[in-house]
Amino acid sequence: GAVVSQHPSWVICKSGTSVKIECRSLDFQATTMFWYRQFPKQSLMLMATSNEGSKATYEQGVEKDKFLINHASLTLSTLTVTSAHPEDSSFYICSAHLGLAGGRGTYEQYFGPGTRLTVT
Amino acid sequence: DAKTTQPTSMDCAEGRAANLPCNHSTISGNEYVYWYRQIHSQGPQYIIHGLKNNETNEMASLIITEDRKSSTLILPHATLRDTAVYYCIVSYTGANNLFFGTGTRLTVIP
Repeated sequence: GAVVSQHPSWVICKSGTSVKIECRSLDFQATTMFWYRQFPKQSLMLMATSNEGSKATYEQGVEKDKFLINHASLTLSTLTVTSAHPEDSSFYICSAHLGLAGGRGTYEQYFGPGTRLTVT
Repeated sequence: DAKTTQPTSMDCAEGRAANLPCNHSTISGNEYVYWYRQIHSQGPQYIIHGLKNNETNEMASLIITEDRKSSTLILPHATLRDTAVYYCIVSYTGANNLFFGTGTRLTVIP
């Protein structure tokens, strides 16, 4: 299957600083990537849809000026958490789909391993 | 996308088949049933998906009822590494954002 990587796998930062998380599709091109956030013992919640060469689409309640998304190439999307606060501490996960699967007009999404952000 | 209902948790003995049910009574005719799982502190992993017919791959089998209102994911010989949260998701193509409900926490017991 396709591989999606994330960097870093974990990061600790001080309140008020910014943190950049990278999501890469290693062996395929992804015109669309998704960013999810997962708090402890909760399910994944979509934050935004990242489109190569255009602005990201944010879900309701997600501040676009706080969570900056850049999808500069077909293999890289970045999420920057600006002016991070302790409440931003979470597990951030990206995903991308490989493309039409088996000719059925459907897609399989591949997820990165996640980035655990802790803001102190 | 139609919503799904899954049991909160299940246990399964190692080596036995794990049968994970999912209800999706409001599924529309062209929506697929997808299964993903998430092992602790990792990103979700695609398992299988199907429309009407039963599907099987190297990881699991998917049984969809004739009225498509429910399905069962079968792990034929569960191992300790299959302990994870399993998510049943209904989607038209699987390409768009996926709605992850609460899932079923499967614990495989030695």
